[in-house]
This record gives sequence, structure tokens and C-alpha cells, in this order.
Amino acid sequence: AQSVTQLDSQVPVFEEAPVELRCNYSSSVSVYLFWYVQYPNQGLQLLLKYLSGSTLVKGINGFEAEFNKSQTSFHLRKPSVHISDTAEYFCAVSNNAGNMLTFGGGTRLMVKP
Amino acid sequence: NAGVTQTPKFRVLKTGQSMTLLCAQDMNHEYMYWYRQDPGMGLRLIHYSVGEGTTAKGEVPDGYNVSRLKKQNFLLGLESAAPSQTSVYFCASRGLTSTDTQYFGPGTRLTVL
Repeated sequence: AQSVTQLDSQVPVFEEAPVELRCNYSSSVSVYLFWYVQYPNQGLQLLLKYLSGSTLVKGINGFEAEFNKSQTSFHLRKPSVHISDTAEYFCAVSNNAGNMLTFGGGTRLMVKP
Repeated sequence: NAGVTQTPKFRVLKTGQSMTLLCAQDMNHEYMYWYRQDPGMGLRLIHYSVGEGTTAKGEVPDGYNVSRLKKQNFLLGLESAAPSQTSVYFCASRGLTSTDTQYFGPGTRLTVL
């Protein structure tokens, strides 16, 4: 069984400041890792994914995430946020078969002017 | 190319009523999924399908049924709605390869009174 923990339910930050959204997972097998973003009243959109290879993954909108196997983490970072980054962010994990995604509870990023 | 679409966008039911949610995708994807989203709990998988004519249970299948009679459509049914099924429902689809991305629809907001 797999599980995902997003340690912060809400993260307030000022515009142009850096941000890190934390994600830890547990799994007994190798995994694929994902970050999705959900803007208000919309569906989920893929930000980035880690499948294998380089542990630093770059995604859309200037976001990146680093896979750390020893700490079972996949934290999402952006060096300078914009008001438009205000949204809910979900970390998810699947096993190598990829049949199912298991999601964390989500982190609401609130960017203030 | 509309991607993943869901019908209806909103619905209010009384306890005990039945309804069907329709998901359609035009990407020729093999895999389709139904999730529910509740505050603080992320997305939880209800049922999924790995191809036309096949369905499987996810994490929270009780009270729901599904059918995949056509490859492009995945229906979610509630036979006797309960207030605990008040939620936002998302459909997603994915290609055949385990590394493919899941693409999400815009969601259906269901309220059961």
C-alpha cells in the first residue's frame, strides 16, 4: 500500500518570495511521483512528474521538485511566486504499474501582494 | 480536441434519488478513472477501468457503480444517494503506458440533501 502526506494544509506567502511545498510518501516498491495543480473551480493539471533518472525535475510555470529516496520526499519549489500561482497543489504517487494514483490531502498556496 | 469532459457540472439530489455522471474522453485512452474530492482528503479513487467492458474497484467504491460500454465513455452511477456522497467528482483518463499522465475533467459538484 502507498500513502502520501502533505505536511502543510495552507502556505501563505508574499508575491516574489520563494516557496516550498512539502510532500512525503511511503511505499514498499519503486514509485512514480507527481505534482498536480488545481485552480479554483477547475480540474487538476499536471505540473511535473518523476519517473526515473535525474532527481531534480522541472515542470511548468517555473516549478521544480526534487526526489529524495532516502527521505522518501518529493518537495515542490518555486524561487519567486506570482499572484497567479494561488491554487491548491496535490502530490501523488503510483507504483510502476501506474494503474492508480494515491493523492495527498493537498496544500493551498495563498500568494499575497 | 476537448480532452476529458464531464456532464453535468452541478447537481442537487435528495437522499435516496439516483443519478448517473457521464465522463467522455476523445484521446483514445485505455484507462479511465472516477475520483471524489473532499476537503483535506485529496482525491480518492472510486472505480477505474483498464479498457472497454472492464471495471475495477478503487479505494472507496461502496455506494457507486460504473460501466464502460464504449471506450470513450465511463459512467458513474449512484443508485440511492446519501448525504455522505456530497462531494466533487472528477473523471480522468490515461494512455496505455504506465508512465503516461492522467488527464482530468473539470469536475461535477454534487450535493445530496
